[in-house]
Amino acid sequence: KQEVTQIPAALSVPEGENLVLNCSFTDSAIYNLQWFRQDPGKGLTSLLLIQSSQREQTSGRLNASLDKSSGRSTLYIAASQPGDSATYLCAVRPKGFQKLVFGTGTRLLVSP
Amino acid sequence: DAEITQSPRHKITETGRQVTLACHQTWNHNNMFWYRQDLGHGLRLIHYSYGVQDTNKGEVSDGYSVSRSNTEDLPLTLESAASSQTSVYFCASTGNTGELFFGEGSRLTVL
Repeated sequence: KQEVTQIPAALSVPEGENLVLNCSFTDSAIYNLQWFRQDPGKGLTSLLLIQSSQREQTSGRLNASLDKSSGRSTLYIAASQPGDSATYLCAVRPKGFQKLVFGTGTRLLVSP
Repeated sequence: DAEITQSPRHKITETGRQVTLACHQTWNHNNMFWYRQDLGHGLRLIHYSYGVQDTNKGEVSDGYSVSRSNTEDLPLTLESAASSQTSVYFCASTGNTGELFFGEGSRLTVL
């Protein structure tokens, strides 16, 4: 059974820092991995989708990497801003399934 | 722009009442999902559909039902609402790229 873990559960940093959020999964047979952002009281917003054949994806200040063999993905946020404060979730789609398996998220607080 | 919309956004109901949460997507996606999100449990899959007339149970399907009569809509029905079903409900959909898109959520309170 695929399990997804995100560490740390919470992270607090001053504005301007570069930071890395971690996501690990137990089964490397995945179709893709997706990173989401969730603001309080809101839905999940898709940030980056990495297909199993890809190593990384970039969008603005965000860069996500994927290492299937080690069961890990990282979300790198450059020059963090207070507006980046949110909960970040990763999810993997196991091969052969349309359903995603979600991690429990990392709650990020960026202080001015 | 294509989108996925949920209604109502907030609902208060009484124990035993039937409640239906609507989900409508304009992405023309075949795959649609209903999740509930609770503190301490994260996102849990309730029901999902891979196309018209197809419905499947997720990990927490007891007390819930869905129907898929067209591509755009997947309504979620609580047959007899219970206090344990107080939660935030999210509808989501995916297309050929596999990217999952979520609605804004429906907050349901059962008194």
